[in-house]
Amino acid sequence: KQEVTQIPAALSVPEGENLVLNCSFTDSAIYNLQWFRQDPGKGLTSLLLIQSSQREQTSGRLNASLDKSSGRSTLYIAASQPGDSATYLCAVAGPNNAGNMLTFGGGTRLMVKP
Amino acid sequence: DVKVTQSSRYLVKRTGEKVFLECVQDMDHENMFWYRQDPGLGLRLIYFSYDVKMKEKGDIPEGYSVSREKKERFSLILESASTNQTSMYLCASRRGFNQPQHFGDGTRLSIL
Repeated sequence: KQEVTQIPAALSVPEGENLVLNCSFTDSAIYNLQWFRQDPGKGLTSLLLIQSSQREQTSGRLNASLDKSSGRSTLYIAASQPGDSATYLCAVAGPNNAGNMLTFGGGTRLMVKP
Repeated sequence: DVKVTQSSRYLVKRTGEKVFLECVQDMDHENMFWYRQDPGLGLRLIYFSYDVKMKEKGDIPEGYSVSREKKERFSLILESASTNQTSMYLCASRRGFNQPQHFGDGTRLSIL
């Protein structure tokens, strides 16, 4: 059964710092990996989706990489801002349910201090 | 932008009641999903629907059913609510296979 782990569980950084969030998964037979952010009491906002054939995706100050063979993904946030404070979740599609089901990590709670 | 709307942000119901949670998306997406989110357990899939009137069980379908009569609407039904169904419920939709899932703001449901 696929398992997804995110380390660290919480992270506090000063504004302006570049940072990396980690995600690992146990079964490399995935279809895609998606990164989300979740603000307190709210739903999830989709940030980036990386297909299994891709190595990275970029959106603004965010860059996500995928190393399927080692079961790892990273989310790089450049020049962090207080507005980036949120919980960041990664989720993989597959191999369960032919990729229709996402398996989520426990999240990294990020605080960016002004 | 994709808009996934859940009918209630907060809901309080009594044990044994039949509860309906509604979700509507406005982007003509094929697939829709219901998750619940609990501290320490993360997000878990209850049911998903890949087309109108089609559904598949997720990880934790017991005590729930779903209905998808129209493409834009996906309903989660708690047949006889119990206190262990107190949770945050999140609906999501996506255009199709290998496309990103987009989430609503969630319904925080309390069963007393």
